[in-house]
Amino acid sequence: EDKVVQSPLSLVVHEGDTVTLNCSYEVTNFRSLLWYKQEKKAPTFLFMLTSSGIEKKSGRLSSILDKKELFSILNITATQTGDSAVYLCAVGGQGAQKLVFGQGTRLTINP
Amino acid sequence: DAGVIQSPRHEVTEMGQEVTLRCKPISGHNSLFWYRQTMMRGLELLIYFNNNVPIDDSGMPEDRFSAKMPNASFSTLKIQPSEPRDSAVYFCASSLALVYTGELFFGEGSRLTVL
Repeated sequence: EDKVVQSPLSLVVHEGDTVTLNCSYEVTNFRSLLWYKQEKKAPTFLFMLTSSGIEKKSGRLSSILDKKELFSILNITATQTGDSAVYLCAVGGQGAQKLVFGQGTRLTINP
Repeated sequence: DAGVIQSPRHEVTEMGQEVTLRCKPISGHNSLFWYRQTMMRGLELLIYFNNNVPIDDSGMPEDRFSAKMPNASFSTLKIQPSEPRDSAVYFCASSLALVYTGELFFGEGSRLTVL
């Protein structure tokens, strides 16, 4: 059974800190790993990674995938209170359209 | 574009009642997904459709759950009879191509409370 495990489940930091969120996975015929941000409502797409070792970057957020060790990290530098959200990691397998989601990491940024 | 539209946004019902959740995907998207989110289990895929045809319903918890997609612009998820353990946020999502392109768009969710 495909499985995605995120850690930590919860994280509280101060504004300006840098955080690293972890995602490990087991999936048959890995195709892609996706990161989503969920604030009060619907998850919104952040990144998709398919190749190992290539960093995706968007402003203060970046993510990298290690297909050998079966994990990904999401880094957020110079955190702001607006970064407070649940960050979800999801994995898609070859030939399957569905995504399997992890439990999420609840990130709280205190001013 | 209006995005994925779900209704109702909130539903409170009593155990044993029938619940129908509705979803309008983004126009032109050919894949539609129903997810359920709880604190305990996170986001779980219930069922997905491709070109209005159910492809994988292995996530549907039991026979009390059913989903239909009669046309490209409308889908329903029905629970009959509902139970307290069905309380969750139900998300509908749609995509234009196979989901591993990354473009999976979620609706705002329907929060269901079964008393």
